[in-house]
Amino acid sequence: GAVVSQHPSRVICKSGTSVKIECRSLDFQATTMFWYRQFPKQSLMLMATSNEGSKATYEQGVEKDKFLINHASLTLSTLTVTSAHPEDSSFYICSARVRDRLSGNTIYFGEGSWLTVV
Amino acid sequence: QKEVEQDPGPLSVPEGAIVSLNCTYSNSAFQYFMWYRQYSRKGPELLMYTYSSGNKEDGRFTAQVDKSSKYISLFIRDSQPSDSATYLCAASNFGNEKLTFGTGTRLTIIP
Repeated sequence: GAVVSQHPSRVICKSGTSVKIECRSLDFQATTMFWYRQFPKQSLMLMATSNEGSKATYEQGVEKDKFLINHASLTLSTLTVTSAHPEDSSFYICSARVRDRLSGNTIYFGEGSWLTVV
Repeated sequence: QKEVEQDPGPLSVPEGAIVSLNCTYSNSAFQYFMWYRQYSRKGPELLMYTYSSGNKEDGRFTAQVDKSSKYISLFIRDSQPSDSATYLCAASNFGNEKLTFGTGTRLTIIP
């Protein structure tokens, strides 16, 4: 089946620094990827839609300058948390759409990245 | 009102029992419905994918969608301790890949 890989799985950074998280589609091309954020015991909240070769579309309330998204190729999207603060500590998950002729659009998720800002 | 409502549980059932997980939704434009399983500290894993109304079966799992009542169900037969996880329902519009998630139901299967 389709595989989405995220790296790093865990990262600890100091307050004020920037952290980059990568999301790769391993065996398919993804023109669209999605970035979610999940706090403990809560559901996934969509942050932005990453479009290959164009600007990301951010959800209401998500700071574009804070969460930089780059989708430079059909298999890679990156999320950079800039000037991280402790309140940015969370579980960040990416997903990618696989277009299947029989079932339409299927969304697969990466394993997620735990960010802790100290 | 949230677009997708799901009882967060927790839900505990004995091993071998049939588990019923449910969601309701309010957006009539939703046409794709999914169930994901999420183990602690892991990304969601796609379990079932359904388009429009009807039933879909895959092994011990059955997904049901009733668009007339805007009700989504997931049934797990012969439940196993390894089924213990959080189950998330999700829905999306036709042509719109944005998923709207329920809050997730935390399920524990007791050996």
